[in-house]
Amino acid sequence: DAKTTQPNSMESNEEEPVHLPCNHSTISGTDYIHWYRQLPSQGPEYVIHGLTSNVNNRMASLAIAEDRKSSTLILHRATLRDAAVYYCILTALYNFNKFYFGSGTKLNVKP
Amino acid sequence: NAGVTQTPKFQVLKTGQSMTLQCAQDMNHEYMSWYRQDPGMGLRLIHYSVGAGITDQGEVPNGYNVSRSTTEDFPLRLLSAAPSQTSVYFCASSLIAGSTDTQYFGPGTRLTVL
Repeated sequence: DAKTTQPNSMESNEEEPVHLPCNHSTISGTDYIHWYRQLPSQGPEYVIHGLTSNVNNRMASLAIAEDRKSSTLILHRATLRDAAVYYCILTALYNFNKFYFGSGTKLNVKP
Repeated sequence: NAGVTQTPKFQVLKTGQSMTLQCAQDMNHEYMSWYRQDPGMGLRLIHYSVGAGITDQGEVPNGYNVSRSTTEDFPLRLLSAAPSQTSVYFCASSLIAGSTDTQYFGPGTRLTVL
């Protein structure tokens, strides 16, 4: 099963951009890249996902390497509310039980 | 529209006791799942369901049972609680059982087994 590797923790200053990396060197052609985040004492929440092309939404941007072996979640202006654990997850189409969270990256945002 | 709800929020059990964690969603979602999260770890999939009457095992199913008699509800049963089942349990749902669909998570149930 394709797995992901993320740094354990990262730190950012408030209102600065944050780039959260994820390596997934064994990704297959049908794996989608999802990002979720978990605020303290809450359930995870969806951030963004993509397959091959870069994606933007109101929360973040997702930059996917051309060979798809890595991706980067970009928070354009970090706020204190963005302090959370960010999970990079690979999912395979119609493979319902393949949703491995891993241990994620804990993002600390300094005022 | 309440989303995904879980009850109870907190529970303390003694070893050997049984209990059912409740999960309900009001979004007419086809797919529902249960995860556990141990301290400092990511979530691990216990069981999932792709529709009423259909369930299957995830990564860590031992010691847990599920059933899905309605689209809305997906209870998780602990048959004989053990200290190793001390964890935070999250229920999630998504509209269709496909990998591209957003999963919506409940607020969690914090379970302690003494």
